[in-house]
Amino acid sequence: EIVLTQSPGTLSLSPGERATLSCRASQSVSSSYLAWYQHKPGQAPRLLIYGASSRATGIPDRFSGSGSGTDFTLTISRLEPEDFAVYYCQQYGGSPRVTFGQGTRLEI
Amino acid sequence: EVQLLESGGGLVQPGGSLRLSCAASGFTFSSYAMSWVRQAPGKGLEWVSTISGSGGSTYYADSVKGRFTISRDNSKNTLYLQMNTLRAEDTAVYYCAKGYDSSGRNFDFWGQGTLVTVSS
Repeated sequence: EIVLTQSPGTLSLSPGERATLSCRASQSVSSSYLAWYQHKPGQAPRLLIYGASSRATGIPDRFSGSGSGTDFTLTISRLEPEDFAVYYCQQYGGSPRVTFGQGTRLEI
Repeated sequence: EVQLLESGGGLVQPGGSLRLSCAASGFTFSSYAMSWVRQAPGKGLEWVSTISGSGGSTYYADSVKGRFTISRDNSKNTLYLQMNTLRAEDTAVYYCAKGYDSSGRNFDFWGQGTLVTVSS
């Protein structure tokens, strides 16, 4: 099973700043089958990025994803107040089994 | 508008059973893989199970394999999760989620979740 480790656990920033979130896999993620989600309390998770770097429908271009192999990054170029949430990476390559990282909390 | 509405959660004793349902609307249900993902209190997201659009292929996390069964009724646009031999560690909010790209294993729409509590 591929284990995903996200860092940092908590990231404290201010609106307007740039956020860089990391996701490292225990083995190579095939075909860059790596996604990022935003999750706010009491709400459904929201797909941001799939295929490591493709934005999902309706996602603002301040969200971008990059990386391949075992190292992936989610960047939020200029934080808006509504961006403060928990972010999860997810791998879905190779084996039918899916795994999530433990999450990064982005707080003000 | 895509809508996913889970139901069937509740309090159940250890060793008991529960069946979750997810009513889908706003898209061609049979064309998409569907999944269940859960979140235990204070924890992160955990994938539980996925079923192909036709229902012919199913996949499970090791933690639930042999105890949970995913199924779907495409005539009713409904996804199910039969949960047997429940354990305290199965306590979580259970989300149904619609597959997004051709892999079907990333999820663009999620329900609001239904809470399952396993406790005596």
